[in-house]
Amino acid sequence: GQQVMQIPQYQHVQEGEDFTTYCNSSTTLSNIQWYKQRPGGHPVFLIQLVKSGEVKKQKRLTFQFGEAKKNSSLHITATQTTDVGTYFCAGPGSGGSNYKLTFGKGTLLTVNP
Amino acid sequence: SAVISQKPSRDICQRGTSLTIQCQVDSQVTMMFWYRQQPGQSLTLIATANQGSEATYESGFVIDKFPISRPNLTFSTLTVSNMSPEDSSIYLCSVPFYHDTGYTFGSGTRLTVV
Repeated sequence: GQQVMQIPQYQHVQEGEDFTTYCNSSTTLSNIQWYKQRPGGHPVFLIQLVKSGEVKKQKRLTFQFGEAKKNSSLHITATQTTDVGTYFCAGPGSGGSNYKLTFGKGTLLTVNP
Repeated sequence: SAVISQKPSRDICQRGTSLTIQCQVDSQVTMMFWYRQQPGQSLTLIATANQGSEATYESGFVIDKFPISRPNLTFSTLTVSNMSPEDSSIYLCSVPFYHDTGYTFGSGTRLTVV
């Protein structure tokens, strides 16, 4: 089935440093979604990217979708302790279903104050 | 987006027993999904709960182990049957946003089997 590879698995930064997590797929994705899961919490939807080369910003977060729609990235500028959590990318599931999600393994971000 | 109430939030169960997890949504939704998240791992889709028809299970998951009910468009249950310690995980339900632009998750059920 379709897989979405995500790196790095872990990232520890000092508060104020930047952070980036990357997702790659072997096949073209119709869309990609990003979620944040705080420790002990549940995934919370951040954004969906649909268009080739799309860039979206949410305050200090910048999301990109590659031109070939096979990769995506999430960049956080000047991290804060509130950014701590696991960031997941998710693409459409196997069989071409746009309703089922396939999640990357996630990147756990820890921030040293 | 929809609001989901998921119960119980956590439970400790004896091996060989069953636990039923409930999800109540504050609006009618066509599709509901059940995921499993093992400690420190990503989310794996168990099944799609369809109203009026049997659930659709993903590879590696079977109805006898994870029976699902979907009596109406706002409610679903997932039962973890004949539990073993390997079933210790977080179980989450999920529904799509309006226009399918993202998904809302329940708060999760943290299951420990001893």
